[in-house]
Amino acid sequence: GENVEQHPSTLSVQEGDSAVIKCTYSDSASNYFPWYKQELGKRPQLIIDIRSNVGEKKDQRIAVTLNKTAKHFSLHITETQPEDSAVYFCAADSNYQLIWGAGTKLIIKP
Amino acid sequence: ETGVTQTPRHLVMGMTNKKSLKCEQHLGHNAMYWYKQSAKKPLELMFVYSLEERVENNSVPSRFSPECPNSSHLFLHLHTLQPEDSALYLCASSPTGEGVTFGSGTRLTVV
Repeated sequence: GENVEQHPSTLSVQEGDSAVIKCTYSDSASNYFPWYKQELGKRPQLIIDIRSNVGEKKDQRIAVTLNKTAKHFSLHITETQPEDSAVYFCAADSNYQLIWGAGTKLIIKP
Repeated sequence: ETGVTQTPRHLVMGMTNKKSLKCEQHLGHNAMYWYKQSAKKPLELMFVYSLEERVENNSVPSRFSPECPNSSHLFLHLHTLQPEDSALYLCASSPTGEGVTFGSGTRLTVV
């Protein structure tokens, strides 16, 4: 079955710097790759997603890149701000469900 | 509100109690899910219902019993739970092949 690995588990960056979180997946049939942000005490919320017919997608300060050949995709956050502090989850679709990465805790240092 | 409503928000129950979690989605989605999120194991998928049929049961103990009476409602019936079942239980829904929308979750404590 599908397996999604996410790295790093914790990422600490200086405010204003960029952050990159990486995920790899195993099922070559996966076509949909969303990223979710979960702030402390809140539900996970979709922040950006990408489909396999696209290599990159950008929405203001966040972007996602996909390399289908290598089976990896990454989340890029530029000009990080304190409100970016959260746990970020990647996922890949497989059959009826999303297979989730273990999450990355992003800490923004002032 | 995101369109997925969960009740109750918090629940404390004894190991001999029976309780139910309720989820309702107003988004017209055709799939609904129960997830368990605990401090050490984030986002464990428990059950998936697609078009009201259960299509996934990830080796969940029988003390958790899901029910999906229609495409908008999902229940999780709980009985004789253990302290290690204490966690955040998240309901979610999605259209086929799309990302999920989560409810606010039920914070369950088993005493």
